[in-house]
Amino acid sequence: EDKVVQSPLSLVVHEGDTVTLNCSYEVTNFRSLLWYKQEKKAPTFLFMLTSSGIEKKSGRLSSILDKKELFSILNITATQTGDSAVYLCAAPNFGNEKLTFGTGTRLTIIP
Amino acid sequence: KAGVTQTPRYLIKTRGQQVTLSCSPISGHRSVSWYQQTPGQGLQFLFEYFSETQRNKGNFPGRFSGRQFSNSRSEMNVSTLELGDSALYLCASSLEYSGDTQYFGPGTRLTVL
Repeated sequence: EDKVVQSPLSLVVHEGDTVTLNCSYEVTNFRSLLWYKQEKKAPTFLFMLTSSGIEKKSGRLSSILDKKELFSILNITATQTGDSAVYLCAAPNFGNEKLTFGTGTRLTIIP
Repeated sequence: KAGVTQTPRYLIKTRGQQVTLSCSPISGHRSVSWYQQTPGQGLQFLFEYFSETQRNKGNFPGRFSGRQFSNSRSEMNVSTLELGDSALYLCASSLEYSGDTQYFGPGTRLTVL
């Protein structure tokens, strides 16, 4: 069965700190990994990673995929209170088209 | 482009009742997936529809069912509601495959009393 595991489960840091969120996966027919941010309601898309070792960046957020070691990290630098959210990673199985989500990392930024 | 819409946004039902939730995908998206989200279990995959056919199903009992219409709109139905069905139900649409970037609707918060 496909599995996506995120760590830590929750993280509390002060504004301005840098955080690293981890996502490991065991997914058959793997081709891509997705990161989402969920504040109050629907998850919103952050990144899709398909190639190993190529960093994707969006402002203070960046993410990278390691297909050899089967993990991805999401970095947030100079955190702000608006970054407080649950961060989800997910990986689709391109054989059966199922998307498996991790349980998420709850990030809380203290002003 | 309008996003994914879900109705209703909130529902309160009692045990034993049934409920129907609706999802309208982004225009041009043909794949619709449904998820149940609870604090303890995270996002759990319910099923995925493509071209009016259920293409995939998660590990939920038969009380959970769905369908997709020719305009890609989808409904899910839960019969004989149980207390444990209280959750946020999210639908997500993507172009063709569930592995494409999925865009989520705001969810329907179902409370079963």
